[in-house]
Order: sequence, then C-alpha cells, then structure tokens
Amino acid sequence: SQQGEEDPQALSIQEGENATMNCSYKTSINNLQWYRQNSGRGLVHLILIRSNEREKHSGRLRVTLDTSKKSSSLLITASRAADTASYFCATVMIYNQGGKLIFGQGTELSVKP
Amino acid sequence: GAGVSQSPSNKVTEKGKDVELRCDPISGHTALYWYRQSLGQGLEFLIYFQGNSAPDKSGLPSDRFSAERTGGSVSTLTIQRTQQEDSAVYLCASSSYLAGTHGYTFGSGTRLTVV
Repeated sequence: SQQGEEDPQALSIQEGENATMNCSYKTSINNLQWYRQNSGRGLVHLILIRSNEREKHSGRLRVTLDTSKKSSSLLITASRAADTASYFCATVMIYNQGGKLIFGQGTELSVKP
Repeated sequence: GAGVSQSPSNKVTEKGKDVELRCDPISGHTALYWYRQSLGQGLEFLIYFQGNSAPDKSGLPSDRFSAERTGGSVSTLTIQRTQQEDSAVYLCASSSYLAGTHGYTFGSGTRLTVV
C-alpha cells in the first residue's frame, strides 16, 4: 500500500509561473524526499527534509513539511519547460528498519512554453 | 561505474517464461533496492539489501519473484513463470548511506512486457 498521496495528480502551467505540489502521508516519518521522473524511467533525487525540519530550499525548489498535518509541499518557482516531468514524494517511516522509501502516486507537471 | 546500471533496458517475454533482470549499483554502495512501477502508477517496493544483513523481502508480490545480490554488489531479480500483470518498469536504486537517511540513486529501469 502507498504511504503518500499526492495532489494534484496533474498540473499544467505556463512557463514562468510557480508550481505547487502537495503530499500527504499516514504514519510518522523519519524524513520525506522528493524525486523527479522523466519519461517513466529513472528517478532523480531532488531534496530531502527531515522530520525536525520545517522548510528547505534548493535552487528554485522549496519544500515545506508539517508533521502535525502529515503533509509536505514542493514549490518550483519560475518554472521552465524543462521542468515538465512527474514528481513523487517518498517517506521513510520512523520505525522502519530498512529505510525503504514508500512512494506516492506522483504529480504529472506540464510546463508550457 | 558512475551510475546505477540496469540491463536489459527492455525485455519482451512470453507468458510462462522466466526472466532475469540485472542491476549494477554504484561501486561501494551498500544498500540496494528494487521497485516496480506499473504504467502511470507510483513505485511499489519489492526488496531491499543492506550489506550482509538478511534482505527485506516484504514487498515481493508472490513466490514467483526472487532476488539475490552476489558479493555485495550486482543484484539479479528473477521472475518465474511470468504473467501479463508482471508487465511494468523494474527500477533498481542504491545508496551509500544509512538506509533512508539520504537520497537514493536510481537506474534507468528495465521495461518488461509479458505477451
């Protein structure tokens, strides 16, 4: 079963606009990670936020984490056509011994030039 | 190598045949994971190897699925008596850090089609 659920499932914006994707999860976590996937193949790690962190930045990416609401958001500012991809959140559960990532269903982002 | 390498990149097989999928992790990475992704879906955890510890096989969907990791490096995922529902992209990932504390590096996957 999937731990995370993402919203929206699909998002279409114009180049230069900001894109916000949300992720909700069910159980307490050690950390939450965001990945990007192009063309249904390999995933690329974007950013990791730990359970004791509330916000993290990396370039045009901003991630927030609200453990009380069990939710996270990924903001991509000043989007580009090259940002078109699927974005997944993934969680590592707090009592998980293996550190396996549990993925959400993903948000498909389309940035139109 | 520089990245996680998976082979073959594409595999078409007949229903009932066995297939082997290979993953070469980044050299020195102690943790290795297999995931499966069906069309338009998220990633489903299959199995996890960490060093010399017993693998976490909790995600394998049936006893037709098995995996091994030889010498703490290369891993092979074997699917016996393939079924059409096994059609998916199989992704391998590796990590050098304590499991789950840093991001994983993924391979490009093997697209398996069972006809």
